[in-house]
Amino acid sequence: AQSVAQPEDQVNVAEGNPLTVKCTYSVSGNPYLFWYVQYPNRGLQFLLKYITGDNLVKGSYGFEAEFNKSQTSFHLKKPSALVSDSALYFCAVRDPSTGRRALTFGSGTRLQVQP
Amino acid sequence: DAGVIQSPRHEVTEMGQEVTLRCKPISGHDYLFWYRQTMMRGLELLIYFNNNVPIDDSGMPEDRFSAKMPNASFSTLKIQPSEPRDSAVYFCASSAPGTGVNTIYFGEGSWLTVV
Repeated sequence: AQSVAQPEDQVNVAEGNPLTVKCTYSVSGNPYLFWYVQYPNRGLQFLLKYITGDNLVKGSYGFEAEFNKSQTSFHLKKPSALVSDSALYFCAVRDPSTGRRALTFGSGTRLQVQP
Repeated sequence: DAGVIQSPRHEVTEMGQEVTLRCKPISGHDYLFWYRQTMMRGLELLIYFNNNVPIDDSGMPEDRFSAKMPNASFSTLKIQPSEPRDSAVYFCASSAPGTGVNTIYFGEGSWLTVV
């Protein structure tokens, strides 16, 4: 079975500081990993994905994520946070060895960027 | 291009009533997903379709829930009879065909309140 853990319910960071939102995963094969963002009363918006290749993936709005196979992690990062980055962030995984197309999501991490 | 379109955006209904949620996937997409989001359980996959055929409905809570996809551009999720514990945000999502890792795109959600 595939699963995702986001160990922090909330992350607080000051504007201009770097941010990290943590994600660890569990799959039997090599994972496909995703980050989505949800603003209040909106749907989920795709940020970035890791399939294979370079462990550092760049995505929308200046976000990036680093895949670490030995630690089974896929942490989301941004060098300099903006107040407008405040939102709910979801990590998701898909195990291609299962043939299953759907994503399994983590519980979400609320990012609060203070001015 | 239009994204995934869901209706209604908000619905308040009384316990015991039938609820029908509607979804129009992105044109050309052949995978369609229904997810439910609650505070307690996070994002859960209910069912997904490929080429209008249900592939995995293991997440459908019980017989009160049913989903159909009569054609490539329309899907419904029906709850009959509705109960207060069905109150949640229901998301429809779609992804493009092919064997690649195609991103799943979400609609804005249907906010359901059962009183």
